[in-house]
Amino acid sequence: SAVISQKPSRDICQRGTSLTIQCQVDSQVTMMFWYRQQPGQSLTLIATANQGSEATYESGFVIDKFPISRPNLTFSTLTVSNMSPEDSSIYLCSAGDRNMNTEAFFGQGTRLTVV
Amino acid sequence: AQSVTQLDSQVPVFEEAPVELRCNYSSSVSVYLFWYVQYPNQGLQLLLKYLSGSTLVKGINGFEAEFNKSQTSFHLRKPSVHISDTAEYFCAVSDDRGSTLGRLYFGRGTQLTVWP
Repeated sequence: SAVISQKPSRDICQRGTSLTIQCQVDSQVTMMFWYRQQPGQSLTLIATANQGSEATYESGFVIDKFPISRPNLTFSTLTVSNMSPEDSSIYLCSAGDRNMNTEAFFGQGTRLTVV
Repeated sequence: AQSVTQLDSQVPVFEEAPVELRCNYSSSVSVYLFWYVQYPNQGLQLLLKYLSGSTLVKGINGFEAEFNKSQTSFHLRKPSVHISDTAEYFCAVSDDRGSTLGRLYFGRGTQLTVWP
């Protein structure tokens, strides 16, 4: 299993600013993922973060808006850039590895409100 | 790509009644199936998962689900619910391809509300 620590847990930000969310895993993992959960909606994958390479973004998400870092096998960051109220969501980090028997583990999420 | 359909967005039920939350999926490859629960203002917690073997899987909190390959379904059931089961439930699938290991496709969620 894996324990994922995500911070901040919540934040209120001014429009036009940027917020960086950190995700720390207590073991080395191959895959890390960033999801967005808009109010009343399901989870949508933003991107897959692979160590040592560029993140892979899903349709509708771009690197300029959501830059991602993956400096090692236990850590990743997601930045929400030039925020607008439409970016108000819960952002969740997830990790997966073959050693985890295919289960994906989730952080507690970051509840972002943009005003 | 995989897709998941949760047929009910809201399921109200009285305490101690049985409940079934429905989930259907579509995929061109073998899949793994999951049910997650999200309590208010919390992250996702795994309820149960199907990887292979017995099609009836048991999870935490008295929940179970049955994988039906012919009907491409993975419905979640509990014989007697408690008020504490009130939460959002997400069905999800992933596949065993190395390039997408751990990547989940989620249904839209079902809000289970248990009334006293």
